[in-house]
Amino acid sequence: EDQVTQSPEALRLQEGESSSLNCSYTVSGLRGLFWYRQDPGKGPEFLFTLYSAGEEKEKERLKATLTKKESFLHITAPKPEDSATYLCAVQAGGDMRFGAGTRLTVKP
Amino acid sequence: ETGVTQTPRHLVMGMTNKKSLKCEQHLGHNAMYWYKQSAKKPLELMFVYSLEERVENNSVPSRFSPECPNSSHLFLHLHTLQPEDSALYLCASSQEWAGYNEQFFGPGTRLTVL
Repeated sequence: EDQVTQSPEALRLQEGESSSLNCSYTVSGLRGLFWYRQDPGKGPEFLFTLYSAGEEKEKERLKATLTKKESFLHITAPKPEDSATYLCAVQAGGDMRFGAGTRLTVKP
Repeated sequence: ETGVTQTPRHLVMGMTNKKSLKCEQHLGHNAMYWYKQSAKKPLELMFVYSLEERVENNSVPSRFSPECPNSSHLFLHLHTLQPEDSALYLCASSQEWAGYNEQFFGPGTRLTVL
């Protein structure tokens, strides 16, 4: 069965302290891996799609990478406004399967 | 309006009530989805519609009844719900179902069942 596991469950950083979030997956025939950001009480906001191992994408302080077994979301010099839950999802076939998310808190 | 909109944003209902959630997408997409999000759990896919036809029903109790009258609108009809059905209900859309494309989400409806 397809599985998506995100770690850590929660992460607290000081402003400017870089770190990485992990998304490991087991799926047959990966079509795409997606990263979303979700603020409290809101719907997930699309960040990146990665399609093949070795691919990387960047947006402001965020950089997503993909291997055959996992993806990392690197956050460089985070700011308090980066505080949110970050969701990873994989697509194989028709549906997306989501991880439980990493709740990131960045303190000033 | 742009993107995906959902109404109402908050809903409190008793176990014997009947209510409906509405979703509208302004993206010209062909696929629409209902998800349930409970605290500290992954999003659970409930229903998928592609070109107004239901393509998946992931073992969802019959007290949840979806309706897709056209490619821009999606409803979730609720009746005789249980307290454990309290959650954030999210609607999403994508260009195609089973394609290599991302889903875009609405803001959700926070449902509380008393």
